[in-house]
Amino acid sequence: DGGITQSPKYLFRKEGQNVTLSCEQNLNHDAMYWYRQDPGQGLRLIYYSQIVNDFQKGDIAEGYSVSREKKESFPLTVTSAQKNPTAFYLCASSSPPGRQQNYGYTFGSGTRLTVV
Amino acid sequence: GDSVTQMEGPVTLSEEAFLTINCTYTATGYPSLFWYVQYPGEGLQLLLKATKADDKGSNKGFEATYRKETTSFHLEKGSVQVSDSAVYFCALTWAGSYQLTFGKGTKLSVIP
Repeated sequence: DGGITQSPKYLFRKEGQNVTLSCEQNLNHDAMYWYRQDPGQGLRLIYYSQIVNDFQKGDIAEGYSVSREKKESFPLTVTSAQKNPTAFYLCASSSPPGRQQNYGYTFGSGTRLTVV
Repeated sequence: GDSVTQMEGPVTLSEEAFLTINCTYTATGYPSLFWYVQYPGEGLQLLLKATKADDKGSNKGFEATYRKETTSFHLEKGSVQVSDSAVYFCALTWAGSYQLTFGKGTKLSVIP
């Protein structure tokens, strides 16, 4: 079955270390996204990518970096510059939005990152 | 800019009660509207959607009608089950846009 795989589901890191979260999709979607979810704050967009080798900053990109070398993969690196990295991270993908309608996103099951 | 406002939670209901979760939006024109559901520890799943005024989206007993006159997309279910306990997100986007704007989510707990 097609879908999005995020790994690992739980991740623990020491403060000051960079960490990379994996996101892979086999839906043949062109666009991919990273969101951060904190209690009571909903979802906030970190980065998104419309096509391979291209990506744009979202609302809270500071302290994060991404790459899009393959259509199927969109890894997110949480750097030591991110002041409060403990959160639940969600990856999503979508087909290009049509001129008549938008089909919405497919989400992965998330990675919970805890920095100690 | 665009925004989505959902009723504050948490909402606690007894099994078989009627559910309404309010969602209103601020946007010009006719966005597409979505409801997503997030079960504990999981990602979001698309529950239903509507792409034009007066459309009704429905799935798994849930319904929502796109009301342009009140800029609303309220989620309803006639008889909730314990398995419906989750966080529900209302969202909007535009044809041709890559970005979804989400509400903050409403947590629903259904007790036996």
